[in-house]
Amino acid sequence: QVQLVQSGAEVKKPGASVNVSCQASVDTFTNYYVHWLRQAPGQGFEWLGFINPSAGRISYAQKFRGRVTMTSDTSTTTIYMQLSSLRSEDTAVYYCARGGTTMMVVAWSWFDPWGQGTLVTVSS
Amino acid sequence: QSVLTQPPSASGTPGQRVTISCSGSSSNIGVNYIYWYQQFPGTAPKVLVYRNNQRPSGVPDRFSGSKSGTSASLAISGLRSEDEADYYCAAWDDSLTGWVFGGGTKLTVL
Repeated sequence: QVQLVQSGAEVKKPGASVNVSCQASVDTFTNYYVHWLRQAPGQGFEWLGFINPSAGRISYAQKFRGRVTMTSDTSTTTIYMQLSSLRSEDTAVYYCARGGTTMMVVAWSWFDPWGQGTLVTVSS
Repeated sequence: QSVLTQPPSASGTPGQRVTISCSGSSSNIGVNYIYWYQQFPGTAPKVLVYRNNQRPSGVPDRFSGSKSGTSASLAISGLRSEDEADYYCAAWDDSLTGWVFGGGTKLTVL
């Protein structure tokens, strides 16, 4: 069964950085894009970007360029998302989600499955 | 402010048919597939409809998607109490070069 397992909740102060991890199966890590999305309390979803974990292709949403960094660790098949210069508006549940295969057009794929989510709270 | 526009709420009684709309533009829904996700409180979303009108295995055929021009809709027939959830539409946006979502529609089964 495909699973994405995320790290636990974080509390950060404004201006700090947060690093959220997402452990994937070898098949997912090797053959699929992994996306990061977030959902602020009571709100809809925002897409942060995607990474091809094994080949390193990365694309960030325009809104987050300069603040978000996505990396991967082949030895542990773990994908990381770091968001810097945190502000209160970044308080949200952050999800990783598997996209399509790396052979597929990104716009033709969908998010399935999703990780369980990681609550990041930014508060002074 | 979401790029795709959905009504914030919808409701129906058991057995009824309900539709949820999603309005976009020529850079997203007008030229790309639409996707629908279902989310229950405190859980991650699940895909209900992909590529406009396709259902993953395990999704009942009571759920159906359609698209016309820059708008799309999700129809739920034979409404059941377990359908009470939040529903989100999503599409790739060529101008933003990224995924965009609707603000979500909370479905209440009366």
